[in-house]
Amino acid sequence: DQQVKQNSPSLSVQEGRISILNCDYTNSMFDYFLWYKKYPAEGPTFLISISSIKDKNEDGRFTVFLNKSAKHLSLHIVPSQPGDSAVYFCAAVTGNQFYFGTGTSLTVIP
Amino acid sequence: NAGVTQTPKFRILKIGQSMTLQCTQDMNHNYMYWYRQDPGMGLKLIYYSVGAGITDKGEVPNGYNVSRSTTEDFPLRLELAAPSQTSVYFCAGRQALGSNQPQHFGDGTRLSIL
Repeated sequence: DQQVKQNSPSLSVQEGRISILNCDYTNSMFDYFLWYKKYPAEGPTFLISISSIKDKNEDGRFTVFLNKSAKHLSLHIVPSQPGDSAVYFCAAVTGNQFYFGTGTSLTVIP
Repeated sequence: NAGVTQTPKFRILKIGQSMTLQCTQDMNHNYMYWYRQDPGMGLKLIYYSVGAGITDKGEVPNGYNVSRSTTEDFPLRLELAAPSQTSVYFCAGRQALGSNQPQHFGDGTRLSIL
């Protein structure tokens, strides 16, 4: 019973273009959302987060958008760089528990 | 500052063997978590702890046990290894204050059970 879904297993983008990664959730009680980035043979690292009371949060090249009515969030990376190639997980938080999506593998082509 | 450290990085077990996956953190994390990640899947919560002496089950606790005798350490025990427990295991820590605190992960333990 997947409460957080990432429906695109992979995405390829040219260097310099925008990368858009999407995430959908089902539980309206989630009060916080996060994006993590994961390189092979490493643990996920925190990238950016957004509170459920906001609709946008920006940090440098990374922007997260939240659409609560659609239960949808997205991560925009502009401009995309080859070093951004990794697996990106979205996560939703309620209480002490985190629920993770299945990840999207982003490849940025030089 | 080492962060969250997991040992070992790799291990092969035979069916029925037992082992303990170690996790230690030096970031004063009150909350600690154990996840498993199967191929093509997201992270599934096995157990978590909100402080020393307090543990609770996550989504997939069967076949595992944990303890939290100190704030720093949160070992995960497999008593009777089964092929279904072949996975990559991640330990994470988190500050207690506020739900907006992210988790900090170790680099994982890749476990194969044959």
